[in-house]
Amino acid sequence: DTAVSQTPKYLVTQMGNDKSIKCEQNLGHDTMYWYKQDSKKFLKIMFSYNNKELIINETVPNRFSPKSPDKAHLNLHINSLELGDSAVYFCASSLRAGRASGELFFGEGSRLTVL
Amino acid sequence: AQSVTQLDSHVSVSEGTPVLLRCNYSSSYSPSLFWYVQHPNKGLQLLLKYTSAATLVKGINGFEAEFKKSETSFHLTKPSAHMSDAAEYFCVVSDLRSGGGADGLTFGKGTHLIIQP
Repeated sequence: DTAVSQTPKYLVTQMGNDKSIKCEQNLGHDTMYWYKQDSKKFLKIMFSYNNKELIINETVPNRFSPKSPDKAHLNLHINSLELGDSAVYFCASSLRAGRASGELFFGEGSRLTVL
Repeated sequence: AQSVTQLDSHVSVSEGTPVLLRCNYSSSYSPSLFWYVQHPNKGLQLLLKYTSAATLVKGINGFEAEFKKSETSFHLTKPSAHMSDAAEYFCVVSDLRSGGGADGLTFGKGTHLIIQP
């Protein structure tokens, strides 16, 4: 049974569209994250979220918004997609906040291509 | 502030020979250090972690790393490479008091390990 699952695995869309990526974890973890990995494999944190606190990386455009219906789910919604948003987006979770642990469980990624 | 430098963007070794992936860190305090592996089209998986206990840390798949404070290094090694080790490897530093991003972590830029048959 997959610990951290994301859908869709692949997403191809046009500039200006709005899209969402869903993430679910069945580990009972408190904190979930979204990361962006560019074509050079460089990994950048976008958000961390638990039921008390949302921390947003200051470089993330406000077109990106996390939405969490419950502790086990953290979806990523992107408005007005741009070419530069093309990347692989990873969802991850940790038992406690990342600062205390560093031990993250990652999903398999969602490859977004904006045309 | 904390930072991490992976000294090689690509490392190529022959199957059966030793693997060395180098990582240097900078941290104002005593950090925790991690190595993650990413196989093609997969998410990252934790290989091993150092959290101020034994300086020689053993991980999965025969990998180990040694924390050397005097050299500010945390190099990853394996005695004998296997074809299945071909992947991207990330060194990560976590320092509760020196920030990092929204996750408190700083990722290295990755080292691509190539295994020659």
